[in-house]
Amino acid sequence: KQEVTQIPAALSVPEGENLVLNCSFTDSAIYNLQWFRQDPGKGLTSLLLIQSSQREQTSGRLNASLDKSSGRSTLYIAASQPGDSATYLCAPRRSNDYKLSFGAGTTVTVRA
Amino acid sequence: KAGVTQTPRYLIKTRGQQVTLSCSPISGHRSVSWYQQTPGQGLQFLFEYFSETQRNKGNFPGRFSGRQFSNSRSEMNVSTLELGDSALYLCASSKSGSSEETQYFGPGTRLLVL
Repeated sequence: KQEVTQIPAALSVPEGENLVLNCSFTDSAIYNLQWFRQDPGKGLTSLLLIQSSQREQTSGRLNASLDKSSGRSTLYIAASQPGDSATYLCAPRRSNDYKLSFGAGTTVTVRA
Repeated sequence: KAGVTQTPRYLIKTRGQQVTLSCSPISGHRSVSWYQQTPGQGLQFLFEYFSETQRNKGNFPGRFSGRQFSNSRSEMNVSTLELGDSALYLCASSKSGSSEETQYFGPGTRLLVL
């Protein structure tokens, strides 16, 4: 069973700081890993999908890295803004699975 | 292009009742997955459908069931509701459900069981 851990559980930073969110997973036989954002009481918004053959994926101020062999992924958010306040979830997907396994998430608060 | 839609958005039921939730995937998507989100257990996979066939099922009791129609719309049903079934139920769609695809989630149905 894939176990996913996200550290820290919560993070509060002033506007403009860079954010570093960590995700670790126990089964390195993954096909890809997806990062999501969830606003309170809402659904999940896909941020980035990084394939197992990739080391990095970038979209705007977001950058995700993946070290499959060590079971780790990191999401970097540059120059944070109050609108970045949300819970961020990582979800690795095993090669023979149709499902995503989720961590508990990191709740980010960006103070204006 | 419209996103994943879920109906109803909110639902209040009492213990012992049953409930049916609906999910319409993005146009052209044929794979639909369902997840349950609770504060204690986080996001847990319920089941996945592709072309009206259930391909994968999570570790939930038989009270949880689902189906998919020929137009790819999906429903999930929970019978004999328990207090612990109170949760946000999310569905996600992708074109074929293959491992390399992005999953797109709907806004969820918030179920409260009293």
